[in-house]
Order: sequence, then C-alpha cells, then structure tokens
Amino acid sequence: GENVEQHPSTLSVQEGDSAVIKCTYSDSASNYFPWYKQELGKRPQLIIDIRSNVGEKKDQRIAVTLNKTAKHFSLHITETQPEDSAVYFCAASWSNNNDMRFGAGTRLTVKP
Amino acid sequence: GAVVSQHPSRVICKSGTSVKIECRSLDFQATTMFWYRQFPKQSLMLMATSNEGSKATYEQGVEKDKFLINHASLTLSTLTVTSAHPEDSSFYICSSWKAGELYGYTFGSGTRLTVV
Repeated sequence: GENVEQHPSTLSVQEGDSAVIKCTYSDSASNYFPWYKQELGKRPQLIIDIRSNVGEKKDQRIAVTLNKTAKHFSLHITETQPEDSAVYFCAASWSNNNDMRFGAGTRLTVKP
Repeated sequence: GAVVSQHPSRVICKSGTSVKIECRSLDFQATTMFWYRQFPKQSLMLMATSNEGSKATYEQGVEKDKFLINHASLTLSTLTVTSAHPEDSSFYICSSWKAGELYGYTFGSGTRLTVV
C-alpha cells in the first residue's frame, strides 16, 4: 500500500520568511496530493492540492510542487505569518473514492 | 461545498462501555466513508473504509469486533467503539468525497473520545 513520509517534523521560522515541507510517496499510482492544515482539536482543512498531471500549483502565498519521477511533493509558504502556525499534513491518494494516506505531520511555528 | 456532520464532538465514557459516533453527509450521498483515528501530536491513521450496504474494510491491526462500523444508508455511517478502554481515547474523524466536488475529501468535525 501507499506510504507517505513527511519532513521535517517540526519547523520554526521568523515571520516573513519562507517555509518548505517535503513529502515522498511510494505508490506510483497515486495521482492526488492534498495538503491540510490542522489546528489543535479541529478537523484538517484543505489548503491546496495538486494532481499528477501538473507539476506546480500556486494560490497566493502557498504553492505546491510535484515531481512524479522522484515521487515527492513539497509545500511552500512564503511571507509567513503567525497565523500560519499549525500542523500541516501531506497526503496521497490514487483515486477520487479511495482513502488517503497521510504523512506524519509538520508542526510549523512562525515567530513574530 | 460538501458537508459532513459528525456527532458527538466530545464524549467521556467509562471503561467497558460502548460509544457510538455518527457521521452524516448533509448535502450529498456518501457512498464511501473513511474513518481515521488521531492520537495526540500524531498523524491521522486510517482505521477502516465503509461502503454503503456492504461490510467495512479494516486496516491491518484494527479490530473489527471492537470498532463496529455501519453504513446502512447513503447519508449515515456510524462507528461504535465497544468495550472501550483508556487506550482507545483518541480523536476520531470521518471523511468522505462528494462526486464532482472540486476540492476533494470533506472531513467531519471530529470526536474527542476520553475513556476513564
């Protein structure tokens, strides 16, 4: 089955700096890669996703890149703000109606 | 967008009792519902996949007799934790996918289970 690895487990940056979180996946059949932001005690919130037919997607300060050959994808947050502090999870899935496998999570702290 | 309503949000129960968690899709038919468990400071781990009208598929290591899943209709899936023990204390969250939805899976709000 799919195995998703995520690094780093914790990340601390100064406000205004960029943050990068990386994930690798094992199943070459995976074709959908969402990123979730989770605040303590709350449900994960989708912040951006990418499908295997594109290599990069951007939404304001957030971007995701995908390298299908190497089977890794990354989340980039620019101009970080304190409210970006949360746990971020990557995930991989190979079909709309199949389960997602999550990475272990990255606790991002943005220091004012 | 798609909405999945999950109840209860928090529950405290005594060891040995059973707890039922409900997830309802409010504006779509949830053919499939995924059940995840999340321990503190850890990731979401898939427990089982329920399909309407058929038996749930459990992940390796998840006891199907302990975590009973029922998906009797296209809008309701339930997870019952039977004979709960303190080690079952966790955050349980369901997820489904609305056909045609642009932004993928929808999560319920989660249930914080504490077994005392």
